[in-house]
Amino acid sequence: NAGVTQTPKFQVLKTGQSMTLQCAQDMNHNSMYWYRQDPGMGLRLIYYSASEGTTDKGEVPNGYNVSRLNKREFSLRLESAAPSQTSVYFCASSDWAGDQPQHFGDGTRLSIL
Amino acid sequence: SQQGEEDPQALSIQEGENATMNCSYKTSINNLQWYRQNSGRGLVHLILIRSNEREKHSGRLRVTLDTSKKSSSLLITASRAADTASYFCATDARSNDYKLSFGAGTTVTVRA
Repeated sequence: NAGVTQTPKFQVLKTGQSMTLQCAQDMNHNSMYWYRQDPGMGLRLIYYSASEGTTDKGEVPNGYNVSRLNKREFSLRLESAAPSQTSVYFCASSDWAGDQPQHFGDGTRLSIL
Repeated sequence: SQQGEEDPQALSIQEGENATMNCSYKTSINNLQWYRQNSGRGLVHLILIRSNEREKHSGRLRVTLDTSKKSSSLLITASRAADTASYFCATDARSNDYKLSFGAGTTVTVRA
């Protein structure tokens, strides 16, 4: 039982390049989330998907897009990477939003040069 | 914006001692959760306490919630080296569509 799997684990990009971070969960959860974690700031929500077929903006959505491909998969796309997007990105899932624990992947460490 | 603020930012204790960290938040909440993050890993859920609960236990963990003071505490008893990690509180509220809002975390180091 893998839980939440994120790929890649590490990535270095040049400013202006694009890339897609992949996330898949095998717990049959309805809700999925993308966060970024920067030093001293905790986790900030980028986008979330409360259920298959829906996506909504979180606290810091600018510069990102998401796709809920199916119930298992939720991808995050950087169309034109900027140095300010250097961060660790975490995907999480839960049965439903709110009073359910979230299960996290081990993150993607992204550096934008 | 971050709802929760943990205190202290960092804590260093000897193995076997207790570790206490606090979380304060700004608006009324539905639930409060505590998570642990080991270095280089994702967050792991520890415990969830609902707004109508005052205390909850799970193994060596004890969580209290005081909604009148908008604060929570996490106590780890008889700490072990494996408890070395960062600990985060997270709250959800109807005002934020029940999305989780995380604090900046407390980094705990347990010395052998």
